[in-house]
Amino acid sequence: SQTIHQWPATLVQPVGSPLSLECTVEGTSNPNLYWYRQAAGRGLQLLFYSVGIGQISSEVPQNLSASRPQDRQFILSSKKLLLSDSGFYLCAWGYIMGLGYTFGSGTRLTVV
Amino acid sequence: SQQGEEDPQALSIQEGENATMNCSYKTSINNLQWYRQNSGRGLVHLILIRSNEREKHSGRLRVTLDTSKKSSSLLITASRAADTASYFCATAVDSNYQLIWGAGTKLIIKP
Repeated sequence: SQTIHQWPATLVQPVGSPLSLECTVEGTSNPNLYWYRQAAGRGLQLLFYSVGIGQISSEVPQNLSASRPQDRQFILSSKKLLLSDSGFYLCAWGYIMGLGYTFGSGTRLTVV
Repeated sequence: SQQGEEDPQALSIQEGENATMNCSYKTSINNLQWYRQNSGRGLVHLILIRSNEREKHSGRLRVTLDTSKKSSSLLITASRAADTASYFCATAVDSNYQLIWGAGTKLIIKP
């Protein structure tokens, strides 16, 4: 069966520090991968998606970047965090764009 | 921008009652999906209904879609304490099939 792992679960980082959040998927190949951010009490905002290794599409100009170095690995990064980067980050995968997605358990990032 | 808007924003009912949540959207869609999110956790896909379908069932869940009114409803019958969560609708728009999310309905089931 397919599983998705996302870590860490919580993270507190100072302003200006770098960020690296990792997401891996098991039990599937060539999935579409997604990074979302969720503000408190709000819906999800798509940050990046990838349809294959090295292919990254950015939906919103951010202080963030994404990479897909392997088929089932998706990384969200920042060189210098801002206070506004705080939020709940969710990784997800799906076989087909626009159909049901499977989400990781999320990372609560607090930038202080 | 948000496509889906859930209504109500919050709903509190007694265990055993039925819970109904609504979602409205603005543009034509390929499909509409409902997800559940327990507090501080990831989202779980519940059900998908395509634009050419009007009603779909899954266990205690019943989803309807009215494309003329651009709205959908999620009915949870015989609610349980474990149904306490936030429920989100997401629409896949025809042009690029990216999911656009509503802000969610927070459902509380009182024992």
